Amino acid sequence: DAGVIQSPRHEVTEMGQEVTLRCKPISGHDYLFWYRQTMMRGLELLIYFNNNVPIDDSGMPEDRFSAKMPNASFSTLKIQPSEPRDSAVYFCASGAVWAGGTGELFFGEGSRLTVL
Amino acid sequence: SQQGEEDPQALSIQEGENATMNCSYKTSINNLQWYRQNSGRGLVHLILIRSNEREKHSGRLRVTLDTSKKSSSLLITASRAADTASYFCATGKGAQKLVFGQGTRLTINP
Repeated sequence: DAGVIQSPRHEVTEMGQEVTLRCKPISGHDYLFWYRQTMMRGLELLIYFNNNVPIDDSGMPEDRFSAKMPNASFSTLKIQPSEPRDSAVYFCASGAVWAGGTGELFFGEGSRLTVL
Repeated sequence: SQQGEEDPQALSIQEGENATMNCSYKTSINNLQWYRQNSGRGLVHLILIRSNEREKHSGRLRVTLDTSKKSSSLLITASRAADTASYFCATGKGAQKLVFGQGTRLTINP
């Protein structure tokens, strides 16, 4: 398997523009997570899905952020409109969960977003 | 708020020495995991220890868990330059959320 694939790897945009980040999880994983990483706040969980259904979006910072998972092999994280404070590295991760709790997560290489 | 907090925030040692990083957390957990992140890359899973386990080994890695103190430690023995990275602990309980600490930046000097 190719692992978790994210695109784009780098995105530079201007304030007010719409940004769409994409993720292809590992086949067979039923959980998908979106994290945001910044120097100030570290790794923040934004939202996660189970079997394509959003389970917990309490980490989504504002209504400007939305995430979808139309099928088991694709998810998007959209920011509209973007602001400079959204600049961060956004990670997608997938995994399976067992009775003992969250199992190992597999991370993509991240999408580095810069909003000017 | 962050569940896991790593200590120290940064650690610099000589190649061949052992590196120890600590993680403290606040609430009860089902398991605790350690991840490594090389600069500019995604996180890579290293090891998972369940709440009913006290110690676990994987190669040069040794993880301990003390649920009474709500703490864990990661020991890397015989460090190598390639071990230079940030190390994160992550905790999970019940719901399948995995919450990460701020990480320890480890530098191995040749």
